[in-house]
Amino acid sequence: QKEVEQNSGPLSVPEGAIASLNCTYSDRGSQSFFWYRQYSGKSPELIMSIYSNGDKEDGRFTAQLNKASQYVSLLIRDSQPSDSATYLCAVDMDTGRRALTFGSGTRLQVQP
Amino acid sequence: GAVVSQHPSRVICKSGTSVKIECRSLDFQATTMFWYRQFPKQSLMLMATSNEGSKATYEQGVEKDKFLINHASLTLSTLTVTSAHPEDSSFYICSASGTGGLRNEQYFGPGTRLTVT
Repeated sequence: QKEVEQNSGPLSVPEGAIASLNCTYSDRGSQSFFWYRQYSGKSPELIMSIYSNGDKEDGRFTAQLNKASQYVSLLIRDSQPSDSATYLCAVDMDTGRRALTFGSGTRLQVQP
Repeated sequence: GAVVSQHPSRVICKSGTSVKIECRSLDFQATTMFWYRQFPKQSLMLMATSNEGSKATYEQGVEKDKFLINHASLTLSTLTVTSAHPEDSSFYICSASGTGGLRNEQYFGPGTRLTVT
């Protein structure tokens, strides 16, 4: 069964630190990878997408992809209390259906 | 980024009645829309995938006669929960994807919180 695995957390970091969120996936043929942020009681919000090996930076966020090792990570620099949320990793494992496979999410807590 | 709206944001209905939820892509054409359900402190569960003008594809265990999905245009999909029961109370979220080929970002609507009494 095709899966996306994330540590459920909570991951607790102090304000200003770097938060590192990791995700592994089972389908070696996956092409597209996404990170979503979900605040409690709200719907997910797309924050990063990555398609090629290496790093992709957008403001305080950096997504890292390593297809050979089948992992994707999200780094949040200068973490703020407002970053406290659940971060969902999503992988496109079946482009025919265009449905993403979501991990169960990692809860991040940024301590002021 | 792309904007997806959902209506209503919150609905309370009596057991046995039907509820319709609308999902609209406001600034792009959504060739594919997805419907999810999320129970408290649980992860997203994909219910069905719909393509404009086609019948929806339901995930295993989701009753297609209970959860009616219509994707009549490139900007609108509806989910109707028929004969709702208290166990159907949940957070229903739609997402939409455009014509990006492999780069199929999904953009989520704000969700509809359904309470069946």
